Amino acid sequence: GAVVSQHPSWVICKSGTSVKIECRSLDFQATTMFWYRQFPKQSLMLMATSNEGSKATYEQGVEKDKFLINHASLTLSTLTVTSAHPEDSSFYICSASWGKNIQYFGAGTRLSVL
Amino acid sequence: AQSVTQLDSHVSVSEGTPVLLRCNYSSSYSPSLFWYVQHPNKGLQLLLKYTSAATLVKGINGFEAEFKKSETSFHLTKPSAHMSDAAEYFCVVKTNTGNQFYFGTGTSLTVIP
Repeated sequence: GAVVSQHPSWVICKSGTSVKIECRSLDFQATTMFWYRQFPKQSLMLMATSNEGSKATYEQGVEKDKFLINHASLTLSTLTVTSAHPEDSSFYICSASWGKNIQYFGAGTRLSVL
Repeated sequence: AQSVTQLDSHVSVSEGTPVLLRCNYSSSYSPSLFWYVQHPNKGLQLLLKYTSAATLVKGINGFEAEFKKSETSFHLTKPSAHMSDAAEYFCVVKTNTGNQFYFGTGTSLTVIP
């Protein structure tokens, strides 16, 4: 199946710093990438949908200035958590899709903000 | 509107016994339905999908699911549980008119030796 790489797998940062998470589709061109947030023992919450070359569409309640998404190419999307605070600590998962039916997920990034 | 209800937040079975994870969906249009599995601290892996072809769908690792329109259900089953099946399972619905996935709240499967 298609492979989606997410990096880093775990990041620890100080409060107030910014963190960038990368999501790459390794063997296909992803027309759409998705970013999810998952709290412990809970389901995935869609944060935003991004199409290559256009601005991301954010879900209601997600601060677009806080969570910056860039989808510069068909194989790379980045999520930057700006001025991170402890409440931003979570598991962030990206997925990529080239059609309308299947999303392929990355392994996730655990963000711990001290 | 689309939504997914996973009826059990936690299921516990003995190794070698059948597994049943229940999922009901609500969709205004003909949906695509998926089951994903997530092992601890890992991403999601696609188990199987239904996209308006055969109603009985076979997936990886011996799992299968049956789409029942009359019951709006897409339950996941496996004849014999293995220890490695212990994980979190998510039922997902997507309408064919859009590209958004709607996740259920997940079912945690425990397999007892």
